[in-house]
Amino acid sequence: DQQVKQNSPSLSVQEGRISILNCDYTNSMFDYFLWYKKYPAEGPTFLISISSIKDKNEDGRFTVFLNKSAKHLSLHIVPSQPGDSAVYFCAASAYGGSQGNLIFGKGTKLSVKP
Amino acid sequence: GAVVSQHPSRVICKSGTSVKIECRSLDFQATTMFWYRQFPKQSLMLMATSNEGSKATYEQGVEKDKFLINHASLTLSTLTVTSAHPEDSSFYICSAMRRRGDGYTFGSGTRLTVV
Repeated sequence: DQQVKQNSPSLSVQEGRISILNCDYTNSMFDYFLWYKKYPAEGPTFLISISSIKDKNEDGRFTVFLNKSAKHLSLHIVPSQPGDSAVYFCAASAYGGSQGNLIFGKGTKLSVKP
Repeated sequence: GAVVSQHPSRVICKSGTSVKIECRSLDFQATTMFWYRQFPKQSLMLMATSNEGSKATYEQGVEKDKFLINHASLTLSTLTVTSAHPEDSSFYICSAMRRRGDGYTFGSGTRLTVV
């Protein structure tokens, strides 16, 4: 049973617009969430994280929102750029980010069109 | 920032042979490193947690005798796929964390193809 779900395998957005990537989780013990960006044949690159004590974390064009009651988080990219085209993985941990037991979603492939 | 180097990036081996993959933290010490595996269009699956100076902790369903992990120093962990089979063909990635809150830094991955 998947504990972290990214239900949209792909998303296409026009350059300059907002990209919203969604992620749902089932394990209420998760208390730390991360987003990674991955290009083909490369390792994931850390983008942004959020602790369960917060509901929003912002870093430049990237903002992550956490809704604990709904067990849902989302990544907003504004404005989207063609270089953002990649696969985005949502990951969760039940140890406050102190251990490596990250559970990953299947990823969402974002395509930003010029 | 934290850098994790993984080598080789690609390897093709014959069935029955063994392959070693190295994961190095270049600018920090990592007492713990993690090994993941990714099948096409699937999520990254944690295989094992590599602990410096002690035995690795394997996830359920991962054969420890097949996937040998050695963490001999604070900057190096190795994963050896023994007696490789075509089903072991996959993308293997390691990760480490320099400090809490930094996020996990991943290596660039190793594409293993067993023929």
